[in-house]
Amino acid sequence: LAKTTQPISMDSYEGQEVNITCSHNNIATNDYITWYQQFPSQGPRFIIQGYKTKVTNEVASLFIPADRKSSTLSLPRVSLSDTAVYYCLVALRGGSYIPTFGRGTSLIVHP
Amino acid sequence: ETGVTQTPRHLVMGMTNKKSLKCEQHLGHNAMYWYKQSAKKPLELMFVYSLEERVENNSVPSRFSPECPNSSHLFLHLHTLQPEDSALYLCASSQDLGRGQETQYFGPGTRLLVL
Repeated sequence: LAKTTQPISMDSYEGQEVNITCSHNNIATNDYITWYQQFPSQGPRFIIQGYKTKVTNEVASLFIPADRKSSTLSLPRVSLSDTAVYYCLVALRGGSYIPTFGRGTSLIVHP
Repeated sequence: ETGVTQTPRHLVMGMTNKKSLKCEQHLGHNAMYWYKQSAKKPLELMFVYSLEERVENNSVPSRFSPECPNSSHLFLHLHTLQPEDSALYLCASSQDLGRGQETQYFGPGTRLLVL
């Protein structure tokens, strides 16, 4: 089971770009990398998913180097409402996708 | 609105009570999950169902009993709980199980308090 490592917390200010890096050294060939966002007392919400190189959607960008041993979630011009916990998931196990959430990164955006 | 609903949203129960949590997904998914999230802790995967069959049970105490009568509904039956079982219980679904790119859709959760 691929294990992920993320910073426990990060602080930023409104309007800045935030980059959160996740390490997944033993990622499997068939694993995708998925990021979720969770607000207090709510369920996690899918943000973005990728396999390699770069993926961009209306919310964020995901950068994945060639060795795929890490990935970086990039949030452009954050606002106060981006304050949340961000999780990186890589969870292919025995041919089945059994998602396992780590502790995530608690992002606090300051005015 | 994610297409996954949970009821009740809040529940207070005594240690001798029996209650059930309900989850329903309107997405046509084949896999459903129960998670527990205690305060300041990461999500703990409790149970996974695929096509109504349980495929994962992460050493959850028997006082938690899941039921999946069909691919749209998932229940978590609770009995003789302990105060440390107080947590946010989250239900999720995904299209299938068995590929590395499944996206999960979460419900709003049930906030459980055991007195």
